[in-house]
Amino acid sequence: SQQGEEDPQALSIQEGENATMNCSYKTSINNLQWYRQNSGRGLVHLILIRSNEREKHSGRLRVTLDTSKKSSSLLITASRAADTASYFCATPPGGYQKVTFGTGTKLQVIP
Amino acid sequence: EAQVTQNPRYLITVTGKKLTVTCSQNMNHEYMSWYRQDPGLGLRQIYYSMNVEVTDKGDVPEGYKVSRKEKRNFPLILESPSPNQTSLYFCASSLYRGGETEAFFGQGTRLTVV
Repeated sequence: SQQGEEDPQALSIQEGENATMNCSYKTSINNLQWYRQNSGRGLVHLILIRSNEREKHSGRLRVTLDTSKKSSSLLITASRAADTASYFCATPPGGYQKVTFGTGTKLQVIP
Repeated sequence: EAQVTQNPRYLITVTGKKLTVTCSQNMNHEYMSWYRQDPGLGLRQIYYSMNVEVTDKGDVPEGYKVSRKEKRNFPLILESPSPNQTSLYFCASSLYRGGETEAFFGQGTRLTVV
């Protein structure tokens, strides 16, 4: 089974609205990363948050991490049509050797 | 330009015909890995390599082989492809161990086995 699971599976919003997606994981982690994938293309790294951090910002992105609940959220503010993509969380369970991705949240931003 | 290059981008082959998908990175990264992406299953790690001559199985290694003879290259070999290996494949590299730093992904190889 997947280490990380994103929720919701799909999300459709109007341009300008905020989009929030969540990631839950099973085992303890050292960090958690978020990636974006435009349809059928390679993943692009968005942000990395370490286990001792609670919140991190990068431009219109805000990521939170709650290690007690084993969950993270990605907030995209003032969404744009170009934000339409799938978003994945990635965790290295039990060390850094392997990396596990969730099944992703498919975001559609309607102009 | 820093990049991970996969070839070919698209491949249609027949069952049992050996094939190799190449992956090369120009960032002097230690860690490289291969993933397959299937609808509803997300990305699953096939193999990874911590450095030259150091490889290990990911979550779905059956039917695949890899080698890491040089730091920049990490080819994926399918000795006898089967239709259940039809998938979208991604190679990725990162400076250090898998989850420690950001990963850079190739553009993907869409493989169809008939």
